[in-house]
Amino acid sequence: AQSVTQLDSQVPVFEEAPVELRCNYSSSVSVYLFWYVQYPNQGLQLLLKYLSGSTLVKGINGFEAEFNKSQTSFHLRKPSVHISDTAEYFCAVSEASNTGKLIFGQGTTLQVKP
Amino acid sequence: GAVVSQHPSWVICKSGTSVKIECRSLDFQATTMFWYRQFPKQSLMLMATSNEGSKATYEQGVEKDKFLINHASLTLSTLTVTSAHPEDSSFYICSAPTGLRDTQYFGPGTRLTVL
Repeated sequence: AQSVTQLDSQVPVFEEAPVELRCNYSSSVSVYLFWYVQYPNQGLQLLLKYLSGSTLVKGINGFEAEFNKSQTSFHLRKPSVHISDTAEYFCAVSEASNTGKLIFGQGTTLQVKP
Repeated sequence: GAVVSQHPSWVICKSGTSVKIECRSLDFQATTMFWYRQFPKQSLMLMATSNEGSKATYEQGVEKDKFLINHASLTLSTLTVTSAHPEDSSFYICSAPTGLRDTQYFGPGTRLTVL
């Protein structure tokens, strides 16, 4: 079975500052890793995903994440945040052999302050 | 890109009644869909896998007699919350994988409030 831990429930940051949202996972099999964003009262939107290959993955809205197999981490970063980035961010994992079922982390609320 | 819709977007019902939520894939066929439940300020919990033309697969701890799932066509899955109670109040979200197995699209969610 897989599990996902997002280490920070809330991350306050000032506008134009860099941010890192942390995600660790555990699994005994090969996995795919995802970051989703959820705006209030909306569904989830895929930010980026890691399937294989380069460990640095670039996504939409200027976000990127780095897969670190030895540390079983998939931290999300953005060099300069905007007010509009305020949202809930979810890290998720699926088995590479069964990509339909996603296991989500607890979520991190990113609060961007002016 | 692919779009998944849900209907209704929100619903309020009385305790003891049943509520049906629809999940549609608008421009692709989905033999499998997934239903999640999200409590306020919490993560999404997978409830069940909806399989077109066969029975749904429920996650451990989910009452299949309470949360009835029907996947009658390649573009529609329904979740019926039977005999709803206030503790069933939640945000219900569906998702559907596209032809690319690693890509899923999520519906906008349905907020259920049981009085």
